[in-house]
Amino acid sequence: QKEVEQDPGPLSVPEGAIVSLNCTYSNSAFQYFMWYRQYSRKGPELLMYTYSSGNKEDGRFTAQVDKSSKYISLFIRDSQPSDSATYLCAMSGIGGFKTIFGAGTRLFVKA
Amino acid sequence: DTEVTQTPKHLVMGMTNKKSLKCEQHMGHRAMYWYKQKAKKPPELMFVYSYEKLSINESVPSRFSPECPNSSLLNLHLHALQPEDSALYLCASSHSGTGGYQPQHFGDGTRLSIL
Repeated sequence: QKEVEQDPGPLSVPEGAIVSLNCTYSNSAFQYFMWYRQYSRKGPELLMYTYSSGNKEDGRFTAQVDKSSKYISLFIRDSQPSDSATYLCAMSGIGGFKTIFGAGTRLFVKA
Repeated sequence: DTEVTQTPKHLVMGMTNKKSLKCEQHMGHRAMYWYKQKAKKPPELMFVYSYEKLSINESVPSRFSPECPNSSLLNLHLHALQPEDSALYLCASSHSGTGGYQPQHFGDGTRLSIL
């Protein structure tokens, strides 16, 4: 079993839809949870960063962490064609340098 | 534009060549990373430098040789690479891993092709 599971998609939605992206994990030591967005031929861009459980909102993006279920989510409201990219979840424990990435979900938002 | 700058953006080299990839950041970060990313796969950690000292080597073949000349610069020296080493090589930086975790910020990578 992988430490982090993420459905690679692809996920195709119409413009304006609410997008839900998810990851599950097995290591209860993870405390830090990130979402990265990666456009084709670019490096990953940090979108959201949360510590422990709870919600965090930034504009159209909301990140949720449920440590009891070992489940994290990223919601994108009013999705735009410019949101078409690969979304990587990532997580880490305390005091270390290693970040464990999910496989990435390819998202296509159709105009 | 990212705050982590990588050069060159593209590199084509033969299996007997020697080349270097360069990475620079001016965010005052004290940890720097090299990752390898194959198409449609997540980044794979290769090396971590913390305070200019090699902290993690993920059993990377010796044909990849990292170097951290100062807190802002990170190099990856390449020699006698194999075709399977063709990939996107990403550099990242973070404040520091000591006493807590800080997320990593990535450059746009060097796309490497081995002939």
